[in-house]
Amino acid sequence: EAGVTQFPSHSVIEKGQTVTLRCDPISGHDNLYWYRRVMGKEIKFLLHFVKESKQDESGMPNNRFLAERTGGTYSTLKVQPAELEDSGVYFCASSQEPMGLRTEAFFGQGTRLTVV
Amino acid sequence: GQQVMQIPQYQHVQEGEDFTTYCNSSTTLSNIQWYKQRPGGHPVFLIQLVKSGEVKKQKRLTFQFGEAKKNSSLHITATQTTDVGTYFCAGQGGGADGLTFGKGTHLIIQP
Repeated sequence: EAGVTQFPSHSVIEKGQTVTLRCDPISGHDNLYWYRRVMGKEIKFLLHFVKESKQDESGMPNNRFLAERTGGTYSTLKVQPAELEDSGVYFCASSQEPMGLRTEAFFGQGTRLTVV
Repeated sequence: GQQVMQIPQYQHVQEGEDFTTYCNSSTTLSNIQWYKQRPGGHPVFLIQLVKSGEVKKQKRLTFQFGEAKKNSSLHITATQTTDVGTYFCAGQGGGADGLTFGKGTHLIIQP
């Protein structure tokens, strides 16, 4: 069974540019989460999709971040325009049931974003 | 908002010594999960604790969830070089769907 895959694995962009990160969850997992880890800080929750719907986006830092999950399959996270403080590792995770219902979440390898 | 404090940030041990990392939440949790991340890797789920006072064991790893469901610990007995990595606790509660992660404890093992 394929795991959670993220693309690209690394991205280096200039401040002001746009970057789109992609996450393909495990097939059949309705729940998809985005997290990010800024250098030296903890992993922080960004948002949660249930199928194509945003269940909770309380962790999104500002309106420069836009997440979509059209069709309830893969998800994209767009940062536009990117700022220096957006640098970090963006993780995607998926689970069959919502987290907290005795289920584990499977994390992708992450996308390392560097804004210069 | 909910905060999860994790200590220590770094722990150097000699191979064979024990290791413990602690997490404390600012609010009562519905459950707490533990993850391990190897250098260059991604968080891998270890375990989930749900019940107050719960203790679970996985070989040399012992996980505890406090009676008040606000703190948790992970104890590794007789560390091995394969235990190297960062151990994260992640709590759920306080309204958000996602997990609130601690900063992680970096375990460094000296042979």
